[in-house]
Amino acid sequence: AQSVTQLGSHVSVSEGALVLLRCNYSSSVPPYLFWYVQYPNQGLQLLLKYTSAATLVKGINGFEAEFKKSETSFHLTKPSAHMSDAAEYFCAVTEITGGGNKLTFGTGTQLKVEL
Amino acid sequence: DAMVIQNPRYQVTQFGKPVTLSCSQTLNHNVMYWYQQKSSQAPKLLFHYYDKDFNNEADTPDNFQSRRPNTSFCFLDIRSPGLGDAAMYLCATSPRGGMTNYGYTFGSGTRLTVV
Repeated sequence: AQSVTQLGSHVSVSEGALVLLRCNYSSSVPPYLFWYVQYPNQGLQLLLKYTSAATLVKGINGFEAEFKKSETSFHLTKPSAHMSDAAEYFCAVTEITGGGNKLTFGTGTQLKVEL
Repeated sequence: DAMVIQNPRYQVTQFGKPVTLSCSQTLNHNVMYWYQQKSSQAPKLLFHYYDKDFNNEADTPDNFQSRRPNTSFCFLDIRSPGLGDAAMYLCATSPRGGMTNYGYTFGSGTRLTVV
């Protein structure tokens, strides 16, 4: 079964600094990978997705992620953090089942942005 | 705008009193999912409908049931809520299972409190 591991349950950066949130995947087949963001008491919003086209994926709000097969990684980055980026971020992988695809989430990384 | 709508946003129920959470979608997606998300944890899949076909996760308690009367609506029924069922419940949709690169569209969630 496919799975993802997010390293670091809490990450703190200064406003304007680089954001790096780590995600490693485990999959026996080429995976489809996603990053979602969740603001307090809200649902999950899709930031970006990797679907075996370009390995560098650009998403909303200035975020991007690079798929590295050799490292089984799909880390999320943003060059310059903004206060509004403070939220929880989930990496996810699609698992194909007979009853439809299923998203399996990592345990999440809480991003804090400080002045 | 096409979307996934969950009602209510906040629900308070008494211990042991049946409660129903509602989800509707205007995306005409074939697949609808219910996730449970406890505080500071990743969303956990409870079950999903692929059209009218119900797919239960192996570890979903019998206390949780679901109904999908038509394409647009899906309900989560908790027959006898316990204190441990207090959580955010997230509804999500995706197109037909073969489009595994799509990801999900999430509703804003229902925060359930059990008193």
